[in-house]
Amino acid sequence: GAVVSQHPSRVICKSGTSVKIECRSLDFQATTMFWYRQFPKQSLMLMATSNEGSKATYEQGVEKDKFLINHASLTLSTLTVTSAHPEDSSFYICSARDMGGVQETQYFGPGTRLLVL
Amino acid sequence: QKEVEQNSGPLSVPEGAIASLNCTYSDRGSQSFFWYRQYSGKSPELIMSIYSNGDKEDGRFTAQLNKASQYVSLLIRDSQPSDSATYLCAVIYGGSQGNLIFGKGTKLSVKP
Repeated sequence: GAVVSQHPSRVICKSGTSVKIECRSLDFQATTMFWYRQFPKQSLMLMATSNEGSKATYEQGVEKDKFLINHASLTLSTLTVTSAHPEDSSFYICSARDMGGVQETQYFGPGTRLLVL
Repeated sequence: QKEVEQNSGPLSVPEGAIASLNCTYSDRGSQSFFWYRQYSGKSPELIMSIYSNGDKEDGRFTAQLNKASQYVSLLIRDSQPSDSATYLCAVIYGGSQGNLIFGKGTKLSVKP
């Protein structure tokens, strides 16, 4: 299957700092990528839909000024957690929409584990 | 409200048995259906995708889709302890941006 990478895989930061997470589709172009957050033993929660060349669409309750999303190319979307606080500690996962085949498919990155101290 | 329903389990099967995972969805406009496997602490991994009525087989996995009944299932033959994970059913609804609507997942435990 197609490969989606995320970087970093794990990050620890101090409260108040900003953290950038990168999501790349390695062997296909993704006009649409999605950002999720997952707390322990809970379901994936969609945070936002990232569209190449346009503004992201945020789900209800997700602060767009806190979670900045940039999708500057067909293979890269970034999520920046600004002024991170301990309650932002979570597992952040991206997925990329592959429209290049006969039918569309979505692949997930390996996730980024964020710990805010 | 577009919904995807799964039995949360846990579903426990002995090694070598067939595990049957079921999923129903609410919107007849659905076009694409996926099964993802998620191990604890890891991100979801695509197991199967299915788009038309009938069966689709890939190794030990068979996905079944019945659009009239709004039902999709996953069969795992010769279950192995390594299959123990949470299985997520996901649907893309027609007219959407392609965002997946997930069920809550079924936890499968394969006992040696």
